[in-house]
Amino acid sequence: GQNIDQPTEMTATEGAIVQINCTYQTSGFNGLFWYQQHAGEAPTFLSYNVLDGLEEKGRFSSFLSRSKGYSYLLLKELQMKDSASYLCAVKNTGFQKLVFGTGTRLLVSP
Amino acid sequence: EPEVTQTPSHQVTQMGQEVILRCVPISNHLYFYWYRQILGQKVEFLVSFYNNEISEKSEIFDDQFSVERPDGSNFTLKIRSTKLEDSAMYFCASIPGQVPSYNSPLHFGNGTRLTVT
Repeated sequence: GQNIDQPTEMTATEGAIVQINCTYQTSGFNGLFWYQQHAGEAPTFLSYNVLDGLEEKGRFSSFLSRSKGYSYLLLKELQMKDSASYLCAVKNTGFQKLVFGTGTRLLVSP
Repeated sequence: EPEVTQTPSHQVTQMGQEVILRCVPISNHLYFYWYRQILGQKVEFLVSFYNNEISEKSEIFDDQFSVERPDGSNFTLKIRSTKLEDSAMYFCASIPGQVPSYNSPLHFGNGTRLTVT
């Protein structure tokens, strides 16, 4: 089976750092993606990990441990516009399909 | 930057009616997908399409659903007889290239919100 777990909701204040965790158990693994989704909008790509370790991209970083089936997304210097849902998704083997977790809704307050 | 475009943005239909959701993927993309998201729930895979045929489909994608690429640009999802539980946001997505690399992200369209009454 396939299972991708994330916390449902998190809150943080502007300027802070927040870490959103994702654990997964999937039948195949060709990498893990993080997407941002504002309410009523399409998911937009943030980052990709296929090897263990940290990938940094400006204010956003993503970490992967394949042996633990674990990833996190780190958001630094939070801004109000970062209030959104953050979706963890695993790419299976085969035809490049992404399997999404339930998403974490992040609320950034002043 | 090229975009995946979807029409209409919002479709209201009565239970039992047929609907066709339309997508224009980015022009040099070859792998196409439909996903849906019921309000407040996760993004769910429906079907992938490559080389003019379905490459994979989920258990959600039953006989009521079909996909087609009627010409070189459009990619459509048809629901033959809509049910109340088909109400959701439907996203089209695509991946570039002849042989996409593993880090190729899906590019999503803005979605069609389908409301079945």
